[in-house]
Amino acid sequence: DTAVSQTPKYLVTQMGNDKSIKCEQNLGHDTMYWYKQDSKKFLKIMFSYNNKELIINETVPNRFSPKSPDKAHLNLHINSLELGDSAVYFCASSQDLGQEAYEQYFGPGTRLTVT
Amino acid sequence: AQTVTQSQPEMSVQEAETVTLSCTYDTSESNYYLFWYKQPPSRQMILVIRQEAYKQQNATENRFSVNFQKAAKSFSLKISDSQLGDTAMYFCAFTASGAQKLVFGQGTRLTINP
Repeated sequence: DTAVSQTPKYLVTQMGNDKSIKCEQNLGHDTMYWYKQDSKKFLKIMFSYNNKELIINETVPNRFSPKSPDKAHLNLHINSLELGDSAVYFCASSQDLGQEAYEQYFGPGTRLTVT
Repeated sequence: AQTVTQSQPEMSVQEAETVTLSCTYDTSESNYYLFWYKQPPSRQMILVIRQEAYKQQNATENRFSVNFQKAAKSFSLKISDSQLGDTAMYFCAFTASGAQKLVFGQGTRLTINP
């Protein structure tokens, strides 16, 4: 059983296009995240959602818009794609237990290539 | 703001050897958690080990153990009896209590040679 799934796993598109990445978790977690891994493998938080509410927006351009239709889903829509958006995007989830921080479970990643 | 530093971009050891990966962090928080994640060539992020800052005892998971030095803000990972399957990028990560985000180090690329 896949815990955190993302679609698609690979996405190649041209500059200026709009694209979406979907994420679903079947772990019953309350909190979901989007991370970006750049070409140097550096991972950085983009957004976190708790019970469908935005908690963290880490100075991400407005072209990136996350949407959480329910606790199990957190999608990422990107408008007007730029070359610099090329990266691997990871979705993750974790159980929210107040101040306790447990493991974040990561999806397989989506490699986005903008040409 | 918290920062996490991994000073070893790459390491390489022979199979069955012991290897230690370094990680230091900077924070003014008193309650936090530290993690080591592994990313093999498959790209999947896998939790290796977790440490609560309020616990003095170092975490261990089979062949993986940490040396947590709170005063020095150091959190190194020791891999004993290394195996070929340990070849991966290893990321040290920090989260403050209730922060709901991980702050990652730059990663260390570890290669286990046969």
